[in-house]
Amino acid sequence: DQQVKQNSPSLSVQEGRISILNCDYTNSMFDYFLWYKKYPAEGPTFLISISSIKDKNEDGRFTVFLNKSAKHLSLHIVPSQPGDSAVYFCAASDSNYQLIWGAGTKLIIKP
Amino acid sequence: KAGVTQTPRYLIKTRGQQVTLSCSPISGHRSVSWYQQTPGQGLQFLFEYFSETQRNKGNFPGRFSGRQFSNSRSEMNVSTLELGDSALYLCASSWGRPNTEAFFGQGTRLTVV
Repeated sequence: DQQVKQNSPSLSVQEGRISILNCDYTNSMFDYFLWYKKYPAEGPTFLISISSIKDKNEDGRFTVFLNKSAKHLSLHIVPSQPGDSAVYFCAASDSNYQLIWGAGTKLIIKP
Repeated sequence: KAGVTQTPRYLIKTRGQQVTLSCSPISGHRSVSWYQQTPGQGLQFLFEYFSETQRNKGNFPGRFSGRQFSNSRSEMNVSTLELGDSALYLCASSWGRPNTEAFFGQGTRLTVV
């Protein structure tokens, strides 16, 4: 049973436009959420996180939105740049501080 | 400062063999987590060590084990390898809890033939 789902395996966005990556979760006990980016042949790199007491967190071009009632979070990248092309993972933390990961979304930024 | 170092980067083993992977965390980090990544799957949590103690364990069979040394370096071992164990094994280190910002190594690509 996948507790964290990223339903879009891939997403293609024009350079300069907004990229929106989505993530759904089923466990209402998750209280901390993170986004990681992964380039080929490298380990994931931390991007941004959000606590369940917030509904938005912003860091430069990256904003994460959390909708607890819908059990949904999204990552917005504005404006999208070629270097943003990567696989993006969302992860949720349970009461044991263990991270449960989504399957990832491959983001392709078209020039 | 140096990042998380995983060795070896690539490994080919035969079914039934055993393998040991190594992870050196960032200096000062005491938490080391191990993950398995297979194509189309997210990262599957194996276990987490903190100060030489296993603090958390995922749903993997007993063939998967690990340990952490006093210098925070960690090893994971897989015994009686199966074809399905072929995957990218990632190690992540963090200062405290594993759900805080973690730094990943490049991973060890294990192929079982």
